[in-house]
Amino acid sequence: ETGVTQSPTHLIKTRGQQVTLRCSSQSGHNTVSWYQQALGQGPQFIFQYYREEENGRGNFPPRFSGLQFPNYSSELNVNALELDDSALYLCASSLAGSGNTIYFGEGSWLTVV
Amino acid sequence: RKEVEQDPGPFNVPEGATVAFNCTYSNSASQSFFWYRQDCRKEPKLLMSVYSSGNEDGRFTAQLNRASQYISLLIRDSKLSDSATYLCVLKPTGSARQLTFGSGTQLTVLP
Repeated sequence: ETGVTQSPTHLIKTRGQQVTLRCSSQSGHNTVSWYQQALGQGPQFIFQYYREEENGRGNFPPRFSGLQFPNYSSELNVNALELDDSALYLCASSLAGSGNTIYFGEGSWLTVV
Repeated sequence: RKEVEQDPGPFNVPEGATVAFNCTYSNSASQSFFWYRQDCRKEPKLLMSVYSSGNEDGRFTAQLNRASQYISLLIRDSKLSDSATYLCVLKPTGSARQLTFGSGTQLTVLP
């Protein structure tokens, strides 16, 4: 049990639609990262938020956006869904300055049809 | 060239066998290294950190060779419960706490 919860756990969307995935971080963790894991691949870094501001971004287009709230919970939004967006989306939380301990949620499985 | 390269496997080994996974990385500025384990359709979980001096945790031994930019994981006396995908992970130098994952090596331990 990592204390990081994600919702929904599974969802199916149609190409062109928009989706919002949610993450509740472990208590006190002020840093949250999102990763996309396609089938047969390792997770790929999408972006990171620290104290409600984006402070790092991977090689993902602008239709991937995020938010972090004052309570450090977070959202990942994806617009204009494409078939290749089908993947497991992982949220990871950590406390800045705490070393290397990063906690992953169980992920949200997104299928785009 | 990918930042982290792993042999995807699959590795199918009998119970009790010793198995080794290798990983190479291209970013010489990488500072921290890890092995994560991922069970089917689950989130990755930290297995162990990897130190230059080599480190052991029970049946698991990790090695790092910075000169060759090479990381290894050795599993001795394999158990059925070791069946999973093993991800080589690095954290580059920098303030962002992003991790760079390899594509994983699949291990199946057979009875």
